[in-house]
Amino acid sequence: GAVVSQHPSRVICKSGTSVKIECRSLDFQATTMFWYRQFPKQSLMLMATSNEGSKATYEQGVEKDKFLINHASLTLSTLTVTSAHPEDSSFYICSASIAGGRNEQFFGPGTRLTVL
Amino acid sequence: AQSVTQLGSHVSVSEGALVLLRCNYSSSVPPYLFWYVQYPNQGLQLLLKYTTGATLVKGINGFEAEFKKSETSFHLTKPSAHMSDAAEYFCAVSDQTNDMRFGAGTRLTVKP
Repeated sequence: GAVVSQHPSRVICKSGTSVKIECRSLDFQATTMFWYRQFPKQSLMLMATSNEGSKATYEQGVEKDKFLINHASLTLSTLTVTSAHPEDSSFYICSASIAGGRNEQFFGPGTRLTVL
Repeated sequence: AQSVTQLGSHVSVSEGALVLLRCNYSSSVPPYLFWYVQYPNQGLQLLLKYTTGATLVKGINGFEAEFKKSETSFHLTKPSAHMSDAAEYFCAVSDQTNDMRFGAGTRLTVKP
């Protein structure tokens, strides 16, 4: 149980375009979803935390207008990278937690974004 | 605020040898501690976690970790390394909210 999927797994786009990444909890309701960014050979950096039906809370230094997060339902959160640039190329990982689930986060498989 | 320090960005062991990956944490409240494994181009998979109770925690794939409050440590061990254990390992700490912080990671290499 507690499976999280991400789509797409890999995306290549041109500079200036927007890219949407979906994160779904397949067999549970996720009250909170998290978006992380991971650079090569580095750890995960928390970008934002989102609760269903409310605005996401962004970490310091993360541009909320560039990284739009929507958590419209208890099973779906989306991250849209707007006007992407090559420096946005990275591995984006989402995770989800269950209310009262003892703080464990269930991670998606990640999305590799390459901006040309 | 909580934080995690993983000692050694890269650990190399021979197949069949003991695996020891070190993790020290800092937390102002009783911590929840986690070890995750990441294979290339994949997400994170939970190996084991400590929340309360028994301080020696057993996880998947033969891994275990011991919570030592006096040493603020949560080192990960496995008695005998297997080639399939080669991966990146992350220690993480949570302060009993949803705020989870990760260490920098340790890359484990297993030599035949």
